[in-house]
Amino acid sequence: EAGVAQSPRYKIIEKRQSVAFWCNPISGHATLYWYQQILGQGPKLLIQFQNNGVVDDSQLPKDRFSAERLKGVDSTLKIQPAKLEDSAVYLCASSFGQGRIFGPGTRLTVL
Amino acid sequence: GENVEQHPSTLSVQEGDSAVIKCTYSDSASNYFPWYKQELGKRPQLIIDIRSNVGEKKDQRIAVTLNKTAKHFSLHITETQPEDSAVYFCAACLPNDYKLSFGAGTTVTVRA
Repeated sequence: EAGVAQSPRYKIIEKRQSVAFWCNPISGHATLYWYQQILGQGPKLLIQFQNNGVVDDSQLPKDRFSAERLKGVDSTLKIQPAKLEDSAVYLCASSFGQGRIFGPGTRLTVL
Repeated sequence: GENVEQHPSTLSVQEGDSAVIKCTYSDSASNYFPWYKQELGKRPQLIIDIRSNVGEKKDQRIAVTLNKTAKHFSLHITETQPEDSAVYFCAACLPNDYKLSFGAGTTVTVRA
């Protein structure tokens, strides 16, 4: 079974620039999550999709972050404009039930 | 919302000894408790989970216990090996919206 795919794996940008991350979940998994993991902390949920609808985006900084999941499969997370405090690993996960299978993450560094 | 506290934040053990990590949760409705292991620079990987209708679960050297009354659950690693060195996260999940709340993590170092 293929895992959760993410790209790019690493990204370095300057503050105020824009960046986008891509995620392809495990086939058949209806629920897709984006997490932000700051160094030394646990993953923090940014947004949860059920198929192509948003279930929870209460912790998504909507003034700069946006996410979409067109056709209920792949998803993109965008940050525009980026701030220094956005430096983190962005993890995508998918699930069929309560469990989570995580992708390898995208390590974002904002200079 | 659910609040998960995890202790200790760091744990150093001698190879072959046992390691115990404890977590508490606040929402009695939580019914699913996974544990994730995250090695440096890698993704969190599910190592064991337990549901609220079970008090204990074992998988080789790893075991998890759950006390619903006290709202706490623990991870036990026996006969630790250097490859057990990692950050371990506990989490608690609510049944309806599948909201998963993570603890802050425990950095486990196994000394050879």
